Amino acid sequence: EAQVTQNPRYLITVTGKKLTVTCSQNMNHEYMSWYRQDPGLGLRQIYYSMNVEVTDKGDVPEGYKVSRKEKRNFPLILESPSPNQTSLYFCASSVGRGTYEQYFGPGTRLTVT
Amino acid sequence: AQSVAQPEDQVNVAEGNPLTVKCTYSVSGNPYLFWYVQYPNRGLQFLLKYITGDNLVKGSYGFEAEFNKSQTSFHLKKPSALVSDSALYFCAVSPLTGGGNKLTFGTGTQLKVEL
Repeated sequence: EAQVTQNPRYLITVTGKKLTVTCSQNMNHEYMSWYRQDPGLGLRQIYYSMNVEVTDKGDVPEGYKVSRKEKRNFPLILESPSPNQTSLYFCASSVGRGTYEQYFGPGTRLTVT
Repeated sequence: AQSVAQPEDQVNVAEGNPLTVKCTYSVSGNPYLFWYVQYPNRGLQFLLKYITGDNLVKGSYGFEAEFNKSQTSFHLKKPSALVSDSALYFCAVSPLTGGGNKLTFGTGTQLKVEL
């Protein structure tokens, strides 16, 4: 089954404790992206990747890091999480940029206390 | 900078009635336009897209959307709503040229279809 998987689905952590949210897709997609969803703000792009070793900032990259060492994986790293990063995070992938629809993972709900 | 406006936080409609979820956009040049749907505790699912050509686009689950360039709108429609259509709907825009990697979403419209 073609899918985007994220782990963990739920995470509660404390301020400053480094964490990684994994994202993996099995569709051989070149393009991957991370979004955060907050009430009243919709989805905002954090980072995206056009291909292996190619990443770029989205609208809200501060406090986040990403890497793309393999085509299928695109982990999101929070080096020192803060309470304002409490949010619902989605990973997405697509064949390419522009015209192609994105496939979204199930989401990771992160709470930083 | 590109942007999307969904002016209604919530739309209520009776089952069997037509529904419209509104979206207007701002982008440099010609746009790519998308609608996505989010069911509770799920990720977003693609519904339909406008790239070029016919202004009326048909998508999944009986939904359609009309692209209106002069009004910079891309409203989502369905002739007869179902209770199962109740969900959160997002409009998104991406520019045709330059910055095509960047997809900007609206804030979402909660659709509630009642019996």
